[in-house]
Amino acid sequence: DGGITQSPKYLFRKEGQNVTLSCEQNLNHDAMYWYRQDPGQGLRLIYYSQIVNDFQKGDIAEGYSVSREKKESFPLTVTSAQKNPTAFYLCASSITTISEEQYFGPGTRLTVT
Amino acid sequence: AQTVTQSQPEMSVQEAETVTLSCTYDTSESNYYLFWYKQPPSRQMILVIRQEAYKQQNATENRFSVNFQKAAKSFSLKISDSQLGDTAMYFCAFMSSGGLIFGTGTRLQVFP
Repeated sequence: DGGITQSPKYLFRKEGQNVTLSCEQNLNHDAMYWYRQDPGQGLRLIYYSQIVNDFQKGDIAEGYSVSREKKESFPLTVTSAQKNPTAFYLCASSITTISEEQYFGPGTRLTVT
Repeated sequence: AQTVTQSQPEMSVQEAETVTLSCTYDTSESNYYLFWYKQPPSRQMILVIRQEAYKQQNATENRFSVNFQKAAKSFSLKISDSQLGDTAMYFCAFMSSGGLIFGTGTRLQVFP
């Protein structure tokens, strides 16, 4: 089955620890994205990548970092500098960043205490 | 900066009836794409319908259709013959260079 996988579904961390969220796609898409969703709000773009070894900051990149070493993978690291890391994180991919539908993964719920 | 506004936090509709969800946006671009996504309780984001701004014809997907008014920057979603499975959050989104800009969503409840 082609699609996007995110793991784990739920993640718990102590404040001050960095944590990495996994995102893998087997759709052969060039573009990948990370969004954050808070209660009562829509999704907000954290980072996106148009091709391997390239990525751009979105609207709320502070406190996050990414890498794109392989076409299939786009991990997101939530660093201790992120002031309010508890949220639902969604990964997406599309053929290109222009016009195409984005396909979303099932999401990871991160709780930091 | 581009913005997307959904002014209806919650809506409800009876099964088999029709409901319209509102969305307005702001942009200075002339060519762009608009989307409606559905997020059921599973939280999986599912594309409902997509509209290219250069197309005057409103997009339709089975029971879902849009009313796209480019000059007014309005992009409403009409759901006909509502079904219980349509209960979900609905997000309007604008395709910017690099990523989607989402509205805050409308929670739709379909009741029997």
